[in-house]
Amino acid sequence: GQNIDQPTEMTATEGAIVQINCTYQTSGFNGLFWYQQHAGEAPTFLSYNVLDGLEEKGRFSSFLSRSKGYSYLLLKELQMKDSASYLCAVCSAGKSTFGDGTTLTVKP
Amino acid sequence: DVKVTQSSRYLVKRTGEKVFLECVQDMDHENMFWYRQDPGLGLRLIYFSYDVKMKEKGDIPEGYSVSREKKERFSLILESASTNQTSMYLCATLPFREREIYEQYFGPGTRLTVT
Repeated sequence: GQNIDQPTEMTATEGAIVQINCTYQTSGFNGLFWYQQHAGEAPTFLSYNVLDGLEEKGRFSSFLSRSKGYSYLLLKELQMKDSASYLCAVCSAGKSTFGDGTTLTVKP
Repeated sequence: DVKVTQSSRYLVKRTGEKVFLECVQDMDHENMFWYRQDPGLGLRLIYFSYDVKMKEKGDIPEGYSVSREKKERFSLILESASTNQTSMYLCATLPFREREIYEQYFGPGTRLTVT
């Protein structure tokens, strides 16, 4: 079976750094994706990891450790517009399994 | 620009009605997916399709069926709508490229209310 865990809610301050963790136990693995979803909107792609290590993309970075079944999304220089839900998804055999999402609230 | 459209943003139907949700993509992607999203339960896969006339059950197919007669169109059908099918429905697409990984592209979603 597939099991993906991430925290339900997080709060951070504008300008700060926040790390959103994701742990997974899946029967197969082709890659791990992070999506951002603002309230009432569709998810949009942020980052993905296939191999272990850190992938950096502007203010967003994502890390993967396949042996530990662990990933994190790092958001730097937080802005108010970063308040959203962040979804971790594991891709296996052509389809993705999503975590429940982490709702991030950025406060001034 | 990548585009996935869904037939309605908001839909209200009565219990027992047959409901059609349409998804159309203009990116020539092989794979298409239907999810529902509920608070506390995340995105759950209902059905997916790898090619025209092909369909595979996802994690929660009960009460749903799908149709893919053309590559660009993937329809979700609720044969007899029930109140527990009130949800946000999201369509997504994914290209197939051997030995490569791509992200999914989502439509804007349809918020279905069954009364």
